[in-house]
Amino acid sequence: TQLLEQSPQFLSIQEGENLTVYCNSSSVFSSLQWYRQEPGEGPVLLVTVVTGGEVKKLKRLTFQFGDARKDSSLHITAAQPGDTGLYLCAASYRGSTLGRLYFGRGTQLTVWP
Amino acid sequence: GAVVSQHPSWVICKSGTSVKIECRSLDFQATTMFWYRQFPKQSLMLMATSNEGSKATYEQGVEKDKFLINHASLTLSTLTVTSAHPEDSSFYICSAQTGWETQYFGPGTRLLVL
Repeated sequence: TQLLEQSPQFLSIQEGENLTVYCNSSSVFSSLQWYRQEPGEGPVLLVTVVTGGEVKKLKRLTFQFGDARKDSSLHITAAQPGDTGLYLCAASYRGSTLGRLYFGRGTQLTVWP
Repeated sequence: GAVVSQHPSWVICKSGTSVKIECRSLDFQATTMFWYRQFPKQSLMLMATSNEGSKATYEQGVEKDKFLINHASLTLSTLTVTSAHPEDSSFYICSAQTGWETQYFGPGTRLLVL
C-alpha cells in the first residue's frame, strides 16, 4: 500500500517554465522531507517541514506543508536544466517504526534548454 | 556535516558469489541505518532497518538470509548479498539517521550480477 501519493510521475518542460509537484497522504504526517536525486547518486535532502501551514523557500524552490499535515507541494519557479532530476517526498508518521520514512513514487523532472 | 559514504560505488560479480557493501557515517554517530533498493526511474524501496548491536528488521518480502545486515558500530553497517543472482542487480542505497527523523543518504552502490 502506497501511503504517499506523489504526482505527477513525469514532467518534461522548457527552461523558464514553472512547475508544481504534489505529495498527498490519507494519514497525518509527523514530518515530511523533500529530496532530489540525480542518476547514479543518492538522494540529497532539500528541506524538512514539520509545522502545518509551513512554507519554506530555497532559492527558486518553494515548499508548502498543508494545514492538516496531510499534503505538501514543491513549486519551482523559472526552471533551469540544472533542476533536472528525480524529486522524492518522504514522510514519517507517529506510531510507525522509529525514523522510518515512507517515500512517494517520485517525480522525474526534465528541463530542456 | 552529516556525510554518509558507501563502498564500493559499483561492483560486478559472477552469479553465485557474495558481495558486501559498507555504509559509514563519517562525521556523526548513527543509531539507525536503513538499506534501500532502487530500480531505474523508480523510488526507493526500504529493505531493512538496522540498529547498532541488534538484529536488523526486514521489510515484508525481503529475505533476511539473502541480504545479511550487520551493524557493528554507530558508524558502520554492512549489507551482504549472498549467492547473488542477476535479479539482484540493482542500485543499493543506505541512509543514516541522526536525531529522530532526519536521514542522510549515501551515494549508492551499483551492483551488476552476471
